[in-house]
Amino acid sequence: QVQLVESGGGVVEPGRSLRLSCAASGFSFRSYGMDWVRQAPGKGLEWVAIIWYDGSNQFYADSVKGRFTISRDNSKNTLFLQMNSLRVEDTAVYYCARVVKYQLPLNFYMDVWGKGTTVTVSS
Amino acid sequence: QSVLTQPPSVSGAPGQRVTISCTGSSSNIETTYDVNWYQQLPGTAPKLLIYGNTNRPSGVPDRISGSKSGTSASLGITGLQAEDEAAYYCQSYDSTLRSWVFGGGTKLTVL
Repeated sequence: QVQLVESGGGVVEPGRSLRLSCAASGFSFRSYGMDWVRQAPGKGLEWVAIIWYDGSNQFYADSVKGRFTISRDNSKNTLFLQMNSLRVEDTAVYYCARVVKYQLPLNFYMDVWGKGTTVTVSS
Repeated sequence: QSVLTQPPSVSGAPGQRVTISCTGSSSNIETTYDVNWYQQLPGTAPKLLIYGNTNRPSGVPDRISGSKSGTSASLGITGLQAEDEAAYYCQSYDSTLRSWVFGGGTKLTVL
């Protein structure tokens, strides 16, 4: 079945780095855009980053631009999120999601979600 | 503060109908950008409920509906059931922020 499994979360000190992974299975990974969405404790959803199906384009939320990098390895069906210069406010559950384009450019929705991995930034 | 505004909470009795609003602006909902809706049950990942303003993915019951008009979109749920108790989020694209955005979320309580 279609599945996304995140890993790589943990507890890290402010200023340090962490790399999240998202393993995809059950669908043609190389045919879909992918993104990361996070949710701080007790808060709502926040879109973080998106990457095109072939890795040709990446876009980021202002809150992570210049610190986070989204990438993918289509040969290994895996999505990544490299997080540098982590801040306390980056503490959240990070979800990866499959992105589907609907009709017009930039009209994307997320139809498959992983269960999430927890990142805690604390000294 | 999200550029998509949702009421923090709504409630209804079993069997009733509720609507959840999502108010945006000319840089998101009012343009050609679609609104999508997600349900998040407590302690679980979000689930797609409505895409492209009005479309239901397979498996989503037809008592769930979506609409969009002007700068607002709405999610409607009829025949409320206990299992509908969850948080609901709208999502679109904002051309000013050049970013995909979520509403702040609405907690639905089934009385």
